Amino acid sequence: EAQVTQNPRYLITVTGKKLTVTCSQNMNHEYMSWYRQDPGLGLRQIYYSMNVEVTDKGDVPEGYKVSRKEKRNFPLILESPSPNQTSLYFCASSFLTGAVTDTQYFGPGTRLTVL
Amino acid sequence: KNQVEQSPQSLIILEGKNCTLQCNYTVSPFSNLRWYKQDTGRGPVSLTIMTFSENTKSNGRYTATLDADTKQSSLHITASQLSDSASYICVVSPNNYGQNFVFGPGTRLSVLP
Repeated sequence: EAQVTQNPRYLITVTGKKLTVTCSQNMNHEYMSWYRQDPGLGLRQIYYSMNVEVTDKGDVPEGYKVSRKEKRNFPLILESPSPNQTSLYFCASSFLTGAVTDTQYFGPGTRLTVL
Repeated sequence: KNQVEQSPQSLIILEGKNCTLQCNYTVSPFSNLRWYKQDTGRGPVSLTIMTFSENTKSNGRYTATLDADTKQSSLHITASQLSDSASYICVVSPNNYGQNFVFGPGTRLSVLP
């Protein structure tokens, strides 16, 4: 089944404790992206990647890191989490042909709470 | 500033009724507009995609319209079902290459029996 998977789905941690949220897709998509979703706000892009070893900042990259060593995986790293990073995080992927039909497929989300 | 606004913020309707959700955007340039459905606790799922040359697109009971001149879009849901209860998100892209999507805050729809 074509899908984007994220782990963990739920995470409670404390300020300053490094964590990684994994994202994996099995559709051979070039493009992958991380978003955060907060109440009353639209999804905001954190980082994106257009291919292996190619990453770039989105709208809210502060406090986050990413890597794209393999096409299928795009982990999100919080080196020193803070309470303002408490949010719902989504990973998404798509083809990058330039066609309008390059729809993004979203993962199920990771709910992160930083105490 | 590129922005997408949606109204209403939330909506409650009875099962079987129709409803229309609104989206206004100030994104420029404009490539395409998408509507997504997001069930509670799940990731968004694409409903429709429209380019500037398309003014209507249907997906079952969902019909999206686009007026590129006034920068407005609407999503009409016909004969609503309980499973339509979700958030509906309008997303505008200035290009076809995946980056720089501008997401609206969503409209929360509740369909009651």
